[in-house]
Amino acid sequence: KAGVTQTPRYLIKTRGQQVTLSCSPISGHRSVSWYQQTPGQGLQFLFEYFSETQRNKGNFPGRFSGRQFSNSRSEMNVSTLELGDSALYLCASSFRGAANEKLFFGSGTQLSVL
Amino acid sequence: ILNVEQSPQSLHVQEGDSTNFTCSFPSSNFYALHWYRWETAKSPEALFVMTLNGDEKKKGRISATLNTKEGYSYLYIKGSQPEDSATYLCASVYNQGGKLIFGQGTELSVKP
Repeated sequence: KAGVTQTPRYLIKTRGQQVTLSCSPISGHRSVSWYQQTPGQGLQFLFEYFSETQRNKGNFPGRFSGRQFSNSRSEMNVSTLELGDSALYLCASSFRGAANEKLFFGSGTQLSVL
Repeated sequence: ILNVEQSPQSLHVQEGDSTNFTCSFPSSNFYALHWYRWETAKSPEALFVMTLNGDEKKKGRISATLNTKEGYSYLYIKGSQPEDSATYLCASVYNQGGKLIFGQGTELSVKP
């Protein structure tokens, strides 16, 4: 059974650009959530999608957006990149996104904004 | 603002030592507590999910307990091995479909 796949693994962008990250969940998993990890910070929740609907959103500006497709694959978009957006972005999947379900994480996309 | 605290921030032990760390979380409206292990250059891996006060979970040499009334969970590692070296993350959830709120993690280093 394939794990959670995130692409690309590394990305370098400049300020003001936009970026799209992709996450393919484990087959059969319908919930995908996104997290940001920066040095000195814990994993910060961005948003969670279930059956193409955003169910939860973290405290991030509107420049951060996402979507989920009918095959449960999800994309995350960051527009007008800022230096502070440099981080590791992780996605995680679970079957229903219930609070008592373990999350399965991808390897992450390391974004550097210059 | 809900805050999850983990202590210590880092821990250095010798192979064979037993160790434990703490996760503290607001107990009001608590729903579930997750523990993950994150090894360098790998993805975070789920260890346990606990929901009930007094819950105890065990996986090999690693075990965890939960006290929802006072808002803490302990993770224990018996006879630490170098392969246990990782960052251990806890996260709490406050409703059925709620988001996970992660602590900053405890970085464990086990020397042979």
